[in-house]
Amino acid sequence: QVQLQESGPGLVKPSQTLSLTCTVSGGSIGSNSYYWSWIRQPAGKGLEWIGRIYTSGSTNYNASLKSRVTISVDLSKNQISLKLSSVTAADTAVYYCARAYYYDSSGYVFDFWGQGTLVTVPS
Amino acid sequence: QSALTQEASVSGTVGQKVTLSCTGNGNNIGSYAVGWHQQISHGAPKTVMFGNSLPSGIPDRFSGSKSGTTASLTISGLQPEDEADYYCSTWDYSLAAWVFGGGTKLTVL
Repeated sequence: QVQLQESGPGLVKPSQTLSLTCTVSGGSIGSNSYYWSWIRQPAGKGLEWIGRIYTSGSTNYNASLKSRVTISVDLSKNQISLKLSSVTAADTAVYYCARAYYYDSSGYVFDFWGQGTLVTVPS
Repeated sequence: QSALTQEASVSGTVGQKVTLSCTGNGNNIGSYAVGWHQQISHGAPKTVMFGNSLPSGIPDRFSGSKSGTTASLTISGLQPEDEADYYCSTWDYSLAAWVFGGGTKLTVL
């Protein structure tokens, strides 16, 4: 059973860079063709996709965050990382990592999610 | 404003059948598989349906379908533990982004 665990600072100062890591256990992130995504959820609101990275390292980002986001993968550590620069209070949210696998010719679907980690940016 | 439209709230009684819908367009639901994710009491989302397939461990009272640009999640024989927020998701090729619905709050009366 694949498990994802997010980790990183729970408090980030305004204008600084938020850095989170998603550690994957129960399988190698490089062994098959998966997309690994970061998703966030402000308190009381819905889910917002931040971006994704393919096993090969290619990335796609949410257009509204693209200028501030970097997602990378470390195959040796079985980890996916998120960096979000120039944060403001609007970036306060629970951050999740999730895996998407190839469902069929109609594309990929999310199957496993991490437990999430709360990141607060004080105003 | 979400790219996918879901009912804000749906309610049902124990044992009843309820259907949640998720409406998009040809760039997303019309072209790609849809996932459904359950979030209980603001905990981590859990996928309860992808395409029309059940993930391991999800009871078979959950089923999924799609017609054109609308996907549906049906729960047959509603249980108290099904009370949660439900989100749909899929890829949107025009946005080159994963998109979510705004979520449906399911209340079990």
